[in-house]
Amino acid sequence: AQSVTQLDSQVPVFEEAPVELRCNYSSSVSVYLFWYVQYPNQGLQLLLKYLSGSTLVKGINGFEAEFNKSQTSFHLRKPSVHISDTAEYFCAVRPWMDSSYKLIFGSGTRLLVRP
Amino acid sequence: SAVISQKPSRDICQRGTSLTIQCQVDSQVTMMFWYRQQPGQSLTLIATANQGSEATYESGFVIDKFPISRPNLTFSTLTVSNMSPEDSSIYLCSVALGSYNEQFFGPGTRLTVL
Repeated sequence: AQSVTQLDSQVPVFEEAPVELRCNYSSSVSVYLFWYVQYPNQGLQLLLKYLSGSTLVKGINGFEAEFNKSQTSFHLRKPSVHISDTAEYFCAVRPWMDSSYKLIFGSGTRLLVRP
Repeated sequence: SAVISQKPSRDICQRGTSLTIQCQVDSQVTMMFWYRQQPGQSLTLIATANQGSEATYESGFVIDKFPISRPNLTFSTLTVSNMSPEDSSIYLCSVALGSYNEQFFGPGTRLTVL
């Protein structure tokens, strides 16, 4: 079985500062990795994904994430955040060979950007 | 990606009643999913709805409580039956698209049960 851990429930940061949101996963098989963002009162938007190839993936809104297989991590980073980045961020995994295509989500991290 | 809409966007219901939530996609998709997001929580998969077959429910969710219809490749409904305040949640549909069947989500339906 797979599991996803987002250790930080909330990350406060000042505007224009860098940020890293941590995601670790547990799986006995290879997985695809995803980050989703949920702005207040909205659904989830796919931010970026790691499917194969380069371990550094770039997504929308200036976010990037690095897949580290040895540490089973997929941390999300942004060099300079904006007030508009305030949202809930979810990390998710899906086993390669799972034909059900089900996602396993972490508990989420609330990014709070202060002026 | 796809344009996914849900109706209603929000509703306030009385306990004991039922609410049907609609999910419409602008393209044909094989796999659709229904999730529940309880207040301040992450997403929990309720069921997978494939066109032409019965929905597959996750542990802890039953068809009598959450009946699902999938009449065609662009539409699905989820009914929350005999509601109680514990059913107050955001309900989201998603679809699997692309070569790797990534999931894309609708805007959600915010349900409050009094």
